[in-house]
Amino acid sequence: AQKITQTQPGMFVQEKEAVTLDCTYDTSDPSYGLFWYKQPSSGEMIFLIYQGSYDQQNATEGRYSLNFQKARKSANLVISASQLGDSAMYFCAMSVTSGTYKYIFGTGTRLKVLA
Amino acid sequence: NAGVTQTPKFQVLKTGQSMTLQCAQDMNHEYMSWYRQDPGMGLRLIHYSVGAGITDQGEVPNGYNVSRSTTEDFPLRLLSAAPSQTSVYFCASRWNLLHYGYTFGSGTRLTVV
Repeated sequence: AQKITQTQPGMFVQEKEAVTLDCTYDTSDPSYGLFWYKQPSSGEMIFLIYQGSYDQQNATEGRYSLNFQKARKSANLVISASQLGDSAMYFCAMSVTSGTYKYIFGTGTRLKVLA
Repeated sequence: NAGVTQTPKFQVLKTGQSMTLQCAQDMNHEYMSWYRQDPGMGLRLIHYSVGAGITDQGEVPNGYNVSRSTTEDFPLRLLSAAPSQTSVYFCASRWNLLHYGYTFGSGTRLTVV
Protein backbone atom coordinates (compact mmCIF):
# COMPACT_ATOMS: atom_id res chain seq x y z
CA ALA A 1 0.00 0.00 0.00
CA GLN A 2 1.07 3.57 -0.59
CA LYS A 3 1.71 5.94 2.27
CA ILE A 4 2.94 9.49 2.69
CA THR A 5 4.20 10.74 6.05
CA GLN A 6 4.82 14.32 7.08
CA THR A 7 6.00 14.39 10.67
CA GLN A 8 6.25 18.16 11.18
CA PRO A 9 2.82 19.61 11.95
CA GLY A 10 4.25 23.12 12.17
CA MET A 11 7.49 24.97 11.54
CA PHE A 12 8.87 28.47 11.87
CA VAL A 13 11.56 30.07 9.76
CA GLN A 14 13.09 33.51 9.73
CA GLU A 15 12.56 35.58 6.61
CA LYS A 16 15.37 35.14 4.03
CA GLU A 17 16.52 31.86 5.55
CA ALA A 18 16.15 28.42 3.98
CA VAL A 19 13.79 25.79 5.37
CA THR A 20 13.34 22.07 4.78
CA LEU A 21 9.96 20.38 5.05
CA ASP A 22 10.16 16.62 5.54
CA CYS A 23 8.29 13.96 3.60
CA THR A 24 8.77 10.21 3.61
CA TYR A 25 6.89 7.79 1.45
CA ASP A 26 6.27 4.10 1.09
CA THR A 27 5.40 2.17 -2.04
CA SER A 28 6.40 -1.09 -3.64
CA ASP A 29 5.82 0.30 -7.13
CA PRO A 30 9.11 1.02 -8.94
CA SER A 31 7.56 3.89 -10.91
CA TYR A 32 6.07 6.76 -8.97
CA GLY A 33 5.89 10.51 -8.76
CA LEU A 34 6.30 12.78 -5.79
CA PHE A 35 4.70 16.20 -5.57
CA TRP A 36 4.49 19.20 -3.28
CA TYR A 37 1.53 21.56 -3.00
CA LYS A 38 1.06 24.84 -1.18
CA GLN A 39 -2.17 25.91 0.48
CA PRO A 40 -2.19 29.56 1.58
CA SER A 41 -4.68 30.79 4.15
CA SER A 42 -7.05 31.65 1.31
CA GLY A 43 -7.57 27.93 0.83
CA GLU A 44 -6.59 27.24 -2.76
CA MET A 45 -4.20 24.39 -3.56
CA ILE A 46 -1.17 25.25 -5.69
CA PHE A 47 1.08 22.68 -7.36
CA LEU A 48 4.76 23.51 -6.68
CA ILE A 49 7.13 20.80 -7.84
CA TYR A 50 7.39 17.23 -9.14
CA GLN A 51 10.04 14.49 -8.86
CA GLY A 52 9.90 11.21 -10.76
CA SER A 53 11.27 8.01 -9.25
CA TYR A 54 13.63 7.52 -12.19
CA ASP A 55 14.87 11.09 -12.28
CA GLN A 56 18.59 11.26 -11.64
CA GLN A 57 18.64 14.86 -10.55
CA ASN A 58 16.69 16.65 -7.87
CA ALA A 59 13.86 18.79 -9.18
CA THR A 60 14.03 22.57 -8.87
CA GLU A 61 11.47 25.29 -9.53
CA GLY A 62 12.67 28.76 -8.67
CA ARG A 63 13.18 28.92 -4.91
CA TYR A 64 11.79 25.42 -4.46
CA SER A 65 13.87 22.28 -4.69
CA LEU A 66 13.07 18.71 -3.88
CA ASN A 67 15.74 16.75 -2.02
CA PHE A 68 15.05 13.24 -3.31
CA GLN A 69 16.76 10.38 -1.47
CA LYS A 70 15.40 7.21 -3.01
CA ALA A 71 17.12 4.73 -0.70
CA ARG A 72 15.73 6.52 2.32
CA LYS A 73 12.35 7.03 0.65
CA SER A 74 12.35 10.71 1.41
CA ALA A 75 11.31 13.67 -0.70
CA ASN A 76 11.94 16.80 1.32
CA LEU A 77 10.98 20.24 0.07
CA VAL A 78 13.60 22.95 0.43
CA ILE A 79 12.52 26.58 0.22
CA SER A 80 15.41 28.98 -0.15
CA ALA A 81 15.35 32.63 0.89
CA SER A 82 11.98 32.39 2.63
CA GLN A 83 9.47 35.17 2.11
CA LEU A 84 6.48 36.20 4.20
CA GLY A 85 4.25 34.96 1.39
CA ASP A 86 5.60 31.44 1.89
CA SER A 87 3.57 31.13 5.09
CA ALA A 88 1.11 28.37 4.25
CA MET A 89 0.29 24.70 4.61
CA TYR A 90 2.47 22.44 2.50
CA PHE A 91 1.39 18.98 1.37
CA CYS A 92 3.50 16.17 0.01
CA ALA A 93 1.77 13.76 -2.38
CA MET A 94 2.55 10.61 -4.33
CA SER A 95 1.18 8.91 -7.41
CA VAL A 96 2.06 5.50 -8.78
CA THR A 97 1.61 4.18 -12.30
CA SER A 98 0.39 0.71 -11.55
CA GLY A 99 -2.78 -0.62 -10.03
CA THR A 100 -5.49 1.84 -9.29
CA TYR A 101 -3.77 5.12 -10.15
CA LYS A 102 -4.46 6.54 -6.73
CA TYR A 103 -2.89 9.82 -5.79
CA ILE A 104 -2.51 10.34 -2.06
CA PHE A 105 -1.50 13.21 0.20
CA GLY A 106 0.27 13.58 3.52
CA THR A 107 -1.24 15.40 6.48
CA GLY A 108 0.66 18.61 5.78
CA THR A 109 3.11 20.97 7.47
CA ARG A 110 2.14 24.48 8.45
CA LEU A 111 4.99 26.89 7.78
CA LYS A 112 5.16 30.32 9.36
CA VAL A 113 7.74 32.79 8.09
CA LEU A 114 8.79 35.36 10.68
CA ALA A 115 9.76 38.93 9.78
CA ASN B 1 -9.82 31.34 -17.50
CA ALA B 2 -9.13 27.66 -17.95
CA GLY B 3 -9.36 25.60 -14.81
CA VAL B 4 -11.56 23.63 -12.46
CA THR B 5 -14.87 25.15 -11.44
CA GLN B 6 -16.54 23.95 -8.27
CA THR B 7 -19.96 24.95 -7.03
CA PRO B 8 -21.22 25.87 -4.54
CA LYS B 9 -18.50 27.49 -2.44
CA PHE B 10 -20.47 27.16 0.79
CA GLN B 11 -23.36 24.90 1.77
CA VAL B 12 -25.24 24.07 4.94
CA LEU B 13 -27.27 20.88 4.99
CA LYS B 14 -29.50 19.24 7.51
CA THR B 15 -28.79 15.67 8.52
CA GLY B 16 -30.39 13.30 6.03
CA GLN B 17 -30.56 15.75 3.15
CA SER B 18 -28.92 14.94 -0.16
CA MET B 19 -27.06 17.23 -2.50
CA THR B 20 -24.66 17.30 -5.42
CA LEU B 21 -21.37 19.16 -5.52
CA GLN B 22 -20.61 20.19 -9.07
CA CYS B 23 -17.18 20.06 -10.69
CA ALA B 24 -16.27 20.98 -14.25
CA GLN B 25 -12.92 21.37 -16.00
CA ASP B 26 -12.16 22.74 -19.44
CA MET B 27 -8.61 21.43 -19.89
CA ASN B 28 -9.61 18.06 -21.36
CA HIS B 29 -7.98 16.25 -18.44
CA GLU B 30 -8.67 12.53 -18.24
CA TYR B 31 -8.08 12.21 -14.53
CA MET B 32 -10.45 13.79 -12.00
CA SER B 33 -10.75 13.30 -8.25
CA TRP B 34 -12.68 14.39 -5.21
CA TYR B 35 -10.92 14.93 -1.91
CA ARG B 36 -12.09 16.01 1.49
CA GLN B 37 -9.88 18.03 3.78
CA ASP B 38 -10.23 17.78 7.54
CA PRO B 39 -7.96 19.37 10.16
CA GLY B 40 -4.94 17.21 10.93
CA MET B 41 -5.85 14.63 8.29
CA GLY B 42 -4.65 16.20 5.09
CA LEU B 43 -6.56 15.46 1.92
CA ARG B 44 -8.29 12.12 1.68
CA LEU B 45 -9.40 10.67 -1.62
CA ILE B 46 -13.13 10.01 -1.91
CA HIS B 47 -13.56 8.92 -5.54
CA TYR B 48 -11.64 9.33 -8.73
CA SER B 49 -12.05 8.81 -12.46
CA VAL B 50 -9.52 8.08 -15.19
CA GLY B 51 -11.91 8.93 -18.00
CA ALA B 52 -15.53 9.25 -19.04
CA GLY B 53 -17.53 6.26 -17.85
CA ILE B 54 -14.79 5.05 -15.48
CA THR B 55 -14.87 5.72 -11.75
CA ASP B 56 -13.38 4.07 -8.70
CA GLN B 57 -13.35 4.41 -4.95
CA GLY B 58 -10.69 6.14 -2.93
CA GLU B 59 -9.90 5.95 0.76
CA VAL B 60 -13.20 7.29 2.14
CA PRO B 61 -16.00 6.55 -0.36
CA ASN B 62 -18.84 5.67 2.02
CA GLY B 63 -21.79 8.04 1.78
CA TYR B 64 -20.73 9.46 -1.59
CA ASN B 65 -21.50 8.63 -5.20
CA VAL B 66 -19.91 9.88 -8.40
CA SER B 67 -20.46 9.55 -12.13
CA ARG B 68 -18.47 10.67 -15.14
CA SER B 69 -20.66 10.91 -18.20
CA THR B 70 -18.42 13.44 -19.93
CA THR B 71 -14.74 14.32 -19.79
CA GLU B 72 -15.59 17.75 -18.38
CA ASP B 73 -17.93 16.99 -15.50
CA PHE B 74 -17.46 14.97 -12.33
CA PRO B 75 -20.24 15.60 -9.78
CA LEU B 76 -20.11 14.30 -6.23
CA ARG B 77 -23.38 13.24 -4.63
CA LEU B 78 -23.99 13.07 -0.91
CA LEU B 79 -26.74 10.51 -0.49
CA SER B 80 -27.90 11.24 3.08
CA ALA B 81 -25.80 13.90 4.75
CA ALA B 82 -24.30 13.20 8.18
CA PRO B 83 -22.43 15.55 10.54
CA SER B 84 -19.27 13.47 9.89
CA GLN B 85 -19.37 14.77 6.32
CA THR B 86 -18.77 18.33 7.48
CA SER B 87 -15.56 19.17 5.65
CA VAL B 88 -13.95 21.13 2.85
CA TYR B 89 -14.29 19.34 -0.47
CA PHE B 90 -11.90 19.75 -3.36
CA CYS B 91 -12.29 18.64 -6.92
CA ALA B 92 -9.08 18.28 -8.91
CA SER B 93 -8.07 17.27 -12.41
CA ARG B 94 -4.87 16.45 -14.28
CA TRP B 95 -3.50 14.62 -17.27
CA ASN B 96 -3.30 10.90 -16.62
CA LEU B 97 0.45 10.81 -16.84
CA LEU B 98 2.79 10.38 -13.93
CA HIS B 99 4.51 13.74 -13.93
CA TYR B 100 1.49 16.01 -14.04
CA GLY B 101 0.30 17.81 -10.94
CA TYR B 102 -3.29 18.54 -10.15
CA THR B 103 -5.25 21.64 -10.91
CA PHE B 104 -7.63 22.15 -8.02
CA GLY B 105 -11.00 23.79 -7.76
CA SER B 106 -11.49 26.49 -5.16
CA GLY B 107 -13.20 24.13 -2.72
CA THR B 108 -16.64 23.73 -1.14
CA ARG B 109 -17.07 24.27 2.57
CA LEU B 110 -19.90 21.95 3.66
CA THR B 111 -21.52 21.99 7.07
CA VAL B 112 -24.01 19.33 8.08
CA VAL B 113 -26.13 20.20 11.10
